[in-house]
Amino acid sequence: GDSVTQTEGPVTLSEGTSLTVNCSYETKQYPTLFWYVQYPGEGPQLLFKVPKANEKGSSRGFEATYNKEATSFHLQKASVQESDSAVYYCALSAPSSSGSWQLIFGSGTQLTVMP
Amino acid sequence: DAGVTQTPRHEVAEKGQTIILKCEPVSGHNDLFWYRQTKIQGLELLSYFRSKSLMEDGGAFKDRFKAEMLNSSFSTLKIQPTEPKDSAVYLCASSLRGSQNTLYFGAGTRLSVL
Repeated sequence: GDSVTQTEGPVTLSEGTSLTVNCSYETKQYPTLFWYVQYPGEGPQLLFKVPKANEKGSSRGFEATYNKEATSFHLQKASVQESDSAVYYCALSAPSSSGSWQLIFGSGTQLTVMP
Repeated sequence: DAGVTQTPRHEVAEKGQTIILKCEPVSGHNDLFWYRQTKIQGLELLSYFRSKSLMEDGGAFKDRFKAEMLNSSFSTLKIQPTEPKDSAVYLCASSLRGSQNTLYFGAGTRLSVL
């Protein structure tokens, strides 16, 4: 079945360093890929999405490229800030067995950025 | 536009009680989802409605969990009877058909079952 695997957390970085959160996916469909971010006490919110292979998505200094050949969608940021501390979820949307669709989330990666 | 509204934000229940969580989706959204979130299991789908029709009922959650869409702008999730293992954050999300399946989440209800 469809699945998403991402970097096991927690990840702790110092402000100003670079971030990579790995995300790999499995599906026989042509999914849209997403990164969501969840701050404490809030629900997940969309960071960005990429519906087409070989395209890049970005927001707030974060970016990821939809690599269909490698089935990857790694999240990167060149210089993290303390305010980036949150949980990051990789996800894909794909048709479900009921004929509708489903959003499949990875397990989440907790990022803590130290000042 | 108002986002997804969930009430209450926190709920404490005794084992065996019935609790009802509420959700108001973004106005005009067609799809509504209930998820359970725990540190160990992450995000687990409980129910999915499309235009008020139940599309997914979350398999393993069928016996004590029941979600309903009373109208296009209001949904409830009933847990009956509650057990301590139900302690988690319950998230409601909505989506507009044709939006490439982008979900908008509420802030969640944190349930503690004693």
